[in-house]
Amino acid sequence: GENVEQHPSTLSVQEGDSAVIKCTYSDSASNYFPWYKQELGKRPQLIIDIRSNVGEKKDQRIAVTLNKTAKHFSLHITETQPEDSAVYFCAASKAGGSQGNLIFGKGTKLSVKP
Amino acid sequence: DTGVSQDPRHKITKRGQNVTFRCDPISEHNRLYWYRQTLGQGPEFLTYFQNEAQLEKSRLLSDRFSAERPKGSFSTLEIQRTEQGDSAMYLCASSPWTSGRQDEQFFGPGTRLTVL
Repeated sequence: GENVEQHPSTLSVQEGDSAVIKCTYSDSASNYFPWYKQELGKRPQLIIDIRSNVGEKKDQRIAVTLNKTAKHFSLHITETQPEDSAVYFCAASKAGGSQGNLIFGKGTKLSVKP
Repeated sequence: DTGVSQDPRHKITKRGQNVTFRCDPISEHNRLYWYRQTLGQGPEFLTYFQNEAQLEKSRLLSDRFSAERPKGSFSTLEIQRTEQGDSAMYLCASSPWTSGRQDEQFFGPGTRLTVL
């Protein structure tokens, strides 16, 4: 079955710096890759996603890139702010079929220091 | 609030007791998923429904776990004879599945279960 590896497990940056979180997946049939932000004690929130027919997607300060050949995808946050501090999870799924359940990485705890 | 809701938010029970959780998805979302999240880990898939049909169950879902979605709206997850290893956050997510954003899953706040 699918396996998603996420690195690093913790990341500390200064406010205004960029942060990059990387994930790899094992199942070449996976075609949907969302990223979730989870603040302490709160629900995971979908912040951006990418499908396998696209190499890059951007939404204001966040962007996601996908390399299907290498089976890895990354989250990029620019101009980080203290409110970006949270745990970020990547996930993969075989969307569009009878499945669609998400397989998550173990998360990256991002700390943005003011 | 039109988001996914879950009840109760917290549940403390003694080992061996049965517990039931409820999830109300976003209106008209026809896919509903249950996940379990333990401390320091990502959510792990348990089961999902397409309308009232339960289409897939993870091997994590032992015989003590049962889920229903009788009318294709809200869902319940029951754990019988709880064990300390069942202590976790139980998350529900729903997905529209029939629109251009059918892959997106929106999570509820979760039910935190503590088994003493």
